[in-house]
Amino acid sequence: EAGVAQSPRYKIIEKRQSVAFWCNPISGHATLYWYQQILGQGPKLLIQFQNNGVVDDSQLPKDRFSAERLKGVDSTLKIQPAKLEDSAVYLCASSLNSKNTGELFFGEGSRLTVL
Amino acid sequence: GNSVTQMEGPVTLSEEAFLTINCTYTATGYPSLFWYVQYPGEGLQLLLKATKADDKGSNKGFEATYRKETTSFHLEKGSVQVSDSAVYFCALSDRSTLTFGKGTMLLVSP
Repeated sequence: EAGVAQSPRYKIIEKRQSVAFWCNPISGHATLYWYQQILGQGPKLLIQFQNNGVVDDSQLPKDRFSAERLKGVDSTLKIQPAKLEDSAVYLCASSLNSKNTGELFFGEGSRLTVL
Repeated sequence: GNSVTQMEGPVTLSEEAFLTINCTYTATGYPSLFWYVQYPGEGLQLLLKATKADDKGSNKGFEATYRKETTSFHLEKGSVQVSDSAVYFCALSDRSTLTFGKGTMLLVSP
């Protein structure tokens, strides 16, 4: 079974530039999550989708971050404009459904460096 | 709100030593508790879980018991191997959100 796929693995940009990350979850997983993991900290939830609807985006900085999951499968997370404090690893995860909360399958992450 | 506190790392052990990584939590209600592991260069993966008080989760020789009275979920292994070197994250779920601790790095030397 293929795992959660993310790209790119690494991205370096200058502040005020934009960046986009892509995620393809495990086939059949209805719930998709984006987490931000800053160095030395645990992952923090940015947004949770159930199919193509948003379940929780309370911690997403909506002035600069956006995410979509238009067809209920893959998802894109965008940052525009980026700030220095956005340097982090962006983790995508999926689960079979929202009732499996806690049992998530993670991708390898996309490491963003903002200079 | 919910929170998870883990012991600071790195934890440095010799092969075959006994491992304990402490984890305590604060939550309303009755959360489920998890340990996730992140091996170098890989994504997080679920190591074990417990869904109610006194449950013991176990996997790959690791164990953790859900202690409601002390709000703890300490991770233990009787004999660590070099291949166990990784970052370990304690987490809780209140059925809506998964909240992680900061992680504890484990380094095992031969």
